[in-house]
Amino acid sequence: KAGVTQTPRYLIKTRGQQVTLSCSPISGHRSVSWYQQTPGQGLQFLFEYFSETQRNKGNFPGRFSGRQFSNSRSEMNVSTLELGDSALYLCASSLHLGPYTDTQYFGPGTRLTVL
Amino acid sequence: SQELEQSPQSLIVQEGKNLTINCTSSKTLYGLYWYKQKYGEGLIFLMMLQKGGEEKSHEKITAKLDEKKQQSSLHITASQPSHAGIYLCGAGNTGTASKLTFGTGTRLQVTL
Repeated sequence: KAGVTQTPRYLIKTRGQQVTLSCSPISGHRSVSWYQQTPGQGLQFLFEYFSETQRNKGNFPGRFSGRQFSNSRSEMNVSTLELGDSALYLCASSLHLGPYTDTQYFGPGTRLTVL
Repeated sequence: SQELEQSPQSLIVQEGKNLTINCTSSKTLYGLYWYKQKYGEGLIFLMMLQKGGEEKSHEKITAKLDEKKQQSSLHITASQPSHAGIYLCGAGNTGTASKLTFGTGTRLQVTL
């Protein structure tokens, strides 16, 4: 089975711009979660989608948004980019909702640099 | 909110040596995940522990969950250069969605 794929792998943007990142989960997986990883804050949960509905959201401003399509693919959008948004954005997919019911598998990440 | 503290923050060991990484939670642990990350890349799933006292092994890596101590340990036997990377523990709230809180990570270097 193919793993979680994320596109693009690298992205350079300037302040004020917006960006869209894409995630394709493992075939059959219906839950997709997004995380932001920075040297200062570590790995932080952004949001989770299951069956096209956002089920959980982390403590991030409204500039961060996402959606999930009927084929479980997900996108996240960051508007009005700030320098502090520079990070590795990771997507994870799993079969079912809820921790410890199954495993979250992570993609390779999208490295976003904001200049 | 739950916090996970990992120790040590970094570790340099000689190839062939054993090592242990600890993950301590500020709240009750209902289960725990261990992941490994190569710098700047995605997380590789290692193990999931679901019950107190549970111990799992995969190749030379063993993880154990101590519910009473709200702690998990990851032990690597006879370390190899391929074990180098950042080890992360993650935990979530039972009965809710897969919103994981991660520890700060332990950076492992294995010297020849």
